[in-house]
Amino acid sequence: GAVVSQHPSWVICKSGTSVKIECRSLDFQATTMFWYRQFPKQSLMLMATSNEGSKATYEQGVEKDKFLINHASLTLSTLTVTSAHPEDSSFYICSARRGGSDNQPQHFGDGTRLSIL
Amino acid sequence: AQSVTQPDIHITVSEGASLELRCNYSYGATPYLFWYVQSPGQGLQLLLKYFSGDTLVQGIKGFEAEFKRSQSSFNLRKPSVHWSDAAEYFCAVGARVSGNTPLVFGKGTRLSVIA
Repeated sequence: GAVVSQHPSWVICKSGTSVKIECRSLDFQATTMFWYRQFPKQSLMLMATSNEGSKATYEQGVEKDKFLINHASLTLSTLTVTSAHPEDSSFYICSARRGGSDNQPQHFGDGTRLSIL
Repeated sequence: AQSVTQPDIHITVSEGASLELRCNYSYGATPYLFWYVQSPGQGLQLLLKYFSGDTLVQGIKGFEAEFKRSQSSFNLRKPSVHWSDAAEYFCAVGARVSGNTPLVFGKGTRLSVIA
């Protein structure tokens, strides 16, 4: 159990395009989802925490108008990279936690590799 | 706030040899502790977790980890490494607070396995 599906797995698009990434918890309800960005050979950088039905909490330095997060249901959160530019190219990973307790592990999607030309 | 240190950036072991990956944490109380593994181009897979009770935790793929409060450590071990274990390993710590706080990850240790 605790499967998280992330789609698409790889996106290549032109500069100025907006890209939407979906994160779904397939077999559990996720009150909270997390979005991370990972640069090559580096650890995960938390971008934002997304709670169902409320606005996301962004980490310092992350532009909320650039990275729009919507968590409309207990099984789906989306990250939209608006007007993407080459510097937004990265590996984006979502994570979901079952229920509302911190003693539950975070389960991760397989990531989305975003390449902006 | 909690923090995690993985002192080893890269470790190379021979196939069949034993493995120990180090993890030290900083937190004012007993934290929740996790080890994840990431293969290239993939997301993170949970190997094992510690919440309370027995300080030696068994995980998937033959991994185990031991929580040592006196050393603020949660080292990951495997008695015999397989070539398929080559990956990036992340230690993570969670706070024992109410509400959904994200895990804090270490910088990772890359494991290479040689024949």
